[in-house]
Order: sequence, then C-alpha cells, then structure tokens
Amino acid sequence: NAGVTQTPKFRVLKTGQSMTLLCAQDMNHEYMYWYRQDPGMGLRLIHYSVGEGTTAKGEVPDGYNVSRLKKQNFLLGLESAAPSQTSVYFCASSPVPGPYGYTFGSGTRLTVV
Amino acid sequence: ELKVEQNPLFLSMQEGKNYTIYCNYSTTSDRLYWYRQDPGKSLESLFVLLSNGAVKQEGRLMASLDTKARLSTLHITAAVHDLSATYFCAVDVDIFGKGTRLHILP
Repeated sequence: NAGVTQTPKFRVLKTGQSMTLLCAQDMNHEYMYWYRQDPGMGLRLIHYSVGEGTTAKGEVPDGYNVSRLKKQNFLLGLESAAPSQTSVYFCASSPVPGPYGYTFGSGTRLTVV
Repeated sequence: ELKVEQNPLFLSMQEGKNYTIYCNYSTTSDRLYWYRQDPGKSLESLFVLLSNGAVKQEGRLMASLDTKARLSTLHITAAVHDLSATYFCAVDVDIFGKGTRLHILP
C-alpha cells in the first residue's frame, strides 16, 4: 500500500526555470494539500483541493499553480522558480477534514540557485 | 490572524522524566492535530482532537484539548530515546506551530 507518493525527491533548479511536482495517492481520498516547510518553521499551506477538478489557495500561493485533473493526482507547478522557493515540499491527503489525521508524502527537497 | 504557538521550541530531557509540550492557538477551531517528524523525514499523524476535553493516549504520549482555553498539551511520560523527534501541533488544515524539537538523553 503506497499511500502518498511524491516525485521527484530532490531537484535543483536555476532561477527562472519551471518544474512540476507530482503527488499521487492510492487511498481514494477526496482532499489533497501542498505545503512547504522552511528551516525552523512549521508547514505552510500553498494550495489545496477538495475534490477532482477543484483547487483553492492556501496561505502562501504566490508563484505556484496547481491542478487536480484526476482524483488521485495533485500537481504543483513553479512557472519561474526563484531562490525564495528553495524549500522542502510536502503533499498530504485526507478523506475529509475531521477525525482523520492527514497522510503525508515523503517530501521533495527543492533548491533554486 | 490565526496563530499557533508551541512552547517550548526546544527541549532536552533525560530518559525516564515526564514533560509537557504546550500548543496555544488564537481562535476557535474544530480540529487540533499532533504530528511527529523525524529528521529528514515526513510527518506522521499522532492524534486528532475534535472536542473540548478530548484526551487521547498512545504509549507514552498523551494529548488533550481545552477549547475554552484554546490550549492543547502533549504529555510525555517516562521518556525514552526513541521519542526524540520534532512534534508539531496544527489547527484545522493549514495553521501549524513551529514545532518542538525534543531531544531525549540516554
């Protein structure tokens, strides 16, 4: 049972380059989330989705776009990477918000130089 | 602005001792979560607290919620080295505390 899978695990980008991070879950969860974690900080919500075809902004959405074309996948895009986007990115999913903890992926460590 | 404050942010303690991590939040909420993160790893869900007075226990960890005081606590009983990790509380889906880095000395 894979749970939540993130690809890639590591990536180095040059300023201005673009990339897409993929999150895939096999638990049939409705809700999916993208967070970033910076040193000494908790997680901050970038974007989230409450179901296939839906997306919404979180606390720090600027510079990122997302898509949820299929229920099991949630993509995070950086159109023009900046050094300030150097971070560890986590994807998570849940059935519905409430009595369930969220299942997190293993993270993507992104460095923008 | 909703804030979640954890204290302490760093805690070094001896094995066998008891201690409590505090999580204060600034507004009403239906859900309070506790997570554990080992260095370089992902987050593991520990507890979900949904109502005033809720108490949950798993091994040496016990979490409680007081919605009137807007306070949750994570109590560690007779700490062991394996509990060394960073512990986060979170309110709803999107507001995390900065984490409490717990280091348990053998």
